[in-house]
Amino acid sequence: AQKVTQAQTEISVVEKEDVTLDCVYETRDTTYYLFWYKQPPSGELVFLIRRNSFDEQNEISGRYSWNFQKSTSSFNFTITASQVVDSAVYFCALNDYKLSFGAGTTVTVRA
Amino acid sequence: DTEVTQTPKHLVMGMTNKKSLKCEQHMGHRAMYWYKQKAKKPPELMFVYSYEKLSINESVPSRFSPECPNSSLLNLHLHALQPEDSALYLCASSQDGQSRYGYTFGSGTRLTVV
Repeated sequence: AQKVTQAQTEISVVEKEDVTLDCVYETRDTTYYLFWYKQPPSGELVFLIRRNSFDEQNEISGRYSWNFQKSTSSFNFTITASQVVDSAVYFCALNDYKLSFGAGTTVTVRA
Repeated sequence: DTEVTQTPKHLVMGMTNKKSLKCEQHMGHRAMYWYKQKAKKPPELMFVYSYEKLSINESVPSRFSPECPNSSLLNLHLHALQPEDSALYLCASSQDGQSRYGYTFGSGTRLTVV
């Protein structure tokens, strides 16, 4: 069984503020992959980042960064200096034998 | 080509109709997926094809019938649907069934059953 929990339903910020999205996962497998996807109103799921269970190195990619902590089963995602175009639903997902999504967090960035 | 193309983008069908959703990718991916997404909910897996064989069926009702004619094409045949089947249907592909490299999603078909 696997489970992904995104406790934040909605987040609203003013442009240029940082946004951190929380994700906690649950799995019995030792090998798994974690993802963050963005879904704008158009509906397409846009891949943002991927991390495998053996690599806890945290990285920054442009305005995106993530914090993967295996000890707490958390995979948090931060958008730095948010922009209006970042407004979307963000999904955390866990893949062991199939890709399962958290409930999603709606991010609204106001100008 | 790094896209998954889904057609049609919108579909309205009656409960007695038969229709099909189409998904195509030319990235050489060997695994393809159908997801269903209701409004304000996350996508839910329906079917997985790996190397053109059905590998996962998440207990989907038989009124949904998937087909994978070749490694680039995935269809979802619809028959006798119910209004509650109205949703966004997303197709995805990945390099292999292990999905270590992530998934590429199409923009979806918004289905309305009347």
